[in-house]
Amino acid sequence: QSALTQPASVSGSPGQSISISCTGTSSDVGGYNYVSWYQQHPGKAPKLMIYDVNNRPSGVSDRFSGSKSGNTASLTISGLRAEDEADYYCSSYTISATCVFGGGTKLTVL
Amino acid sequence: EVQLLQSGAEVKKPGESLKISCKGSGYSFTTYWIGWVRQMPGKGLEWMGIIYPGDSDTRYSPSFQGQVTISADTSITTAYLQWSSLKASDTAMYYCARRVPARDHFDYWGQGTLVTVSS
Repeated sequence: QSALTQPASVSGSPGQSISISCTGTSSDVGGYNYVSWYQQHPGKAPKLMIYDVNNRPSGVSDRFSGSKSGNTASLTISGLRAEDEADYYCSSYTISATCVFGGGTKLTVL
Repeated sequence: EVQLLQSGAEVKKPGESLKISCKGSGYSFTTYWIGWVRQMPGKGLEWMGIIYPGDSDTRYSPSFQGQVTISADTSITTAYLQWSSLKASDTAMYYCARRVPARDHFDYWGQGTLVTVSS
């Protein structure tokens, strides 16, 4: 199974909104509503930000939202803040009953 | 409080065996899957496999099938990731994480175990 496709990097200024895409196939992203997003700061363990395409765990800011259309999922961060600067990874359930991650996107807050 | 506590960093030589651990606490260990995720230096996350401690059902990514073994001991609420013969390319940070039943996301993560394989 191939990794899901994410842009290597995105950037935005404080207060702006950005979106990160995550493209797979009908065997993963397009076939299931089990897309998750994780935030990872340098030297830290990943943190769950979005699950089941568009659900936020308790404690995650409502500035984070998720969506999906066809084989592409997206993470949107609104009201960008300096602390949002991190790596972001999407993941999806697959037809093989396993999971696959995206390659990761480095978010820079200008 | 849910916690996943991983064993400490390891330095090994190529060809050696290794077993790292992940101890779960604060929840019903047998009713949540535990997964393992690799992160090579400067690289992204890679899903390795998962185990359901309740019945030892185990699934591996094709990339890791046959390369590692995932197991669990419910008596001490601990999951394991092991190698029989390490390679330099196994050098990485390894995370364990709890997978929510009937879902496919990891809601709690361990702190990571750094494995260094060098001659």
